[in-house]
Amino acid sequence: AQTVTQSQPEMSVQEAETVTLSCTYDTSESDYYLFWYKQPPSRQMILVIRQEAYKQQNATENRFSVNFQKAAKSFSLKISDSQLGDAAMYFCGQTSGSRLTFGEGTQLTVNP
Amino acid sequence: DTGVSQDPRHKITKRGQNVTFRCDPISEHNRLYWYRQTLGQGPEFLTYFQNEAQLEKSRLLSDRFSAERPKGSFSTLEIQRTEQGDSAMYLCASSPLLGLVNEQYFGPGTRLTVT
Repeated sequence: AQTVTQSQPEMSVQEAETVTLSCTYDTSESDYYLFWYKQPPSRQMILVIRQEAYKQQNATENRFSVNFQKAAKSFSLKISDSQLGDAAMYFCGQTSGSRLTFGEGTQLTVNP
Repeated sequence: DTGVSQDPRHKITKRGQNVTFRCDPISEHNRLYWYRQTLGQGPEFLTYFQNEAQLEKSRLLSDRFSAERPKGSFSTLEIQRTEQGDSAMYLCASSPLLGLVNEQYFGPGTRLTVT
């Protein structure tokens, strides 16, 4: 069975600062993918960044980057130069081919 | 707009009634997924189709729930004899069969309230 854990229910950051959201997972699969999704209030889930487990290089998308530690089964998201529009619920997810298994989410507040 | 669309966006129903939701995936995506999300929680997988074939169902999908994708395009999710515990956001997602096969794109969801 796959499990995903986000241990920070809430985080806050000052505008223009950097914040890191934590995620750990457990899977018996050797080939899998990890994702971070953003869900603004009353709006749909948006894919932020993707990491293939077989790749050692950490994924980066503009201000978003991940720290993927495969042995530790850790997959954290770093948001640099935080903007007010980054405020949302962030979900970490893992899949081995079909179903996505999500964590409980981290509510990110960005303070002006 | 070529994203995933869902209809209706909101549905209020009385306990015991049947409801049906529709999902239209991104046109070139062969895979379609249904998830349920309750307040403050992450989405939970319900079922998944590849073209018209339903390949996987979660234990969450009780016998009151049925999903179809008859022509491999849009999908419907029906809940029979609704219960208050069915109140949730029902999310649909799609992904391509080839290439970025595990990258799922979500629709806006249908929020169901059972009174």
